[in-house]
Amino acid sequence: EIVLTQSPGTLSLSPGDRATLSCRASQSVSSSHLAWYQQKAGQAPRLLIYGASSRATGIPDRFSGSGSGTDFTLTISRLEPEDFAVYYCQQYGSSPWTFGQGTKVDIK
Amino acid sequence: EVQLVQSGAEVKKPGESLQISCKGSGYSFNSYWIAWVRQMPGKGLEWMGIIYPDDSDTRYSPSFQGQVTISGDESFTTAYLQWSSLKASDTAMYYCARGGPKYSDYEGRFDYWGQGTLVTVSS
Repeated sequence: EIVLTQSPGTLSLSPGDRATLSCRASQSVSSSHLAWYQQKAGQAPRLLIYGASSRATGIPDRFSGSGSGTDFTLTISRLEPEDFAVYYCQQYGSSPWTFGQGTKVDIK
Repeated sequence: EVQLVQSGAEVKKPGESLQISCKGSGYSFNSYWIAWVRQMPGKGLEWMGIIYPDDSDTRYSPSFQGQVTISGDESFTTAYLQWSSLKASDTAMYYCARGGPKYSDYEGRFDYWGQGTLVTVSS
């Protein structure tokens, strides 16, 4: 089973800041089958990025994904008030598909 | 419009059985994976398993194998998650989510999610 480790656990930033979230896999994720999700309190998760770097439909271009192999990054170029939430990475290259433990982005 | 609508919240006692549902609409239900994801109170997301309605291919995470049963009814465009004997530790929010078509490059990305079903198990 591929274990995904996200860092940091919490990121305290201000609106307008740049956010850089990391997701490291215990083994190589095949074909960059990695996705990122955003979850706000009391809501279901929302797909942001798939295939490591492709934005899902309707996702603003301030969200970008990069990486391959075992190291992946989600970048939010300029934080908007609605971006403060928990972010999860997920790999679907190898069964069982697994999630990281999450990174909380909160207001400084 | 693609929608996944889950059944309502449940309160059960330890040892009881339970089945929750996830009804898909607005797309070809048979042609996309449906996954179940657990979120325990204050915790992260856990992938439980998936079903491909077209051929009933079902796969489980080792952590949930033998603990739950995933099934589907293509005629009702509904997927199910079932427990035969609930434990207090099954208390959680359960989400269903739509994956991609089988063998597609994006089969494991979850682009639509249900609203969640809260299951509370308490004596």
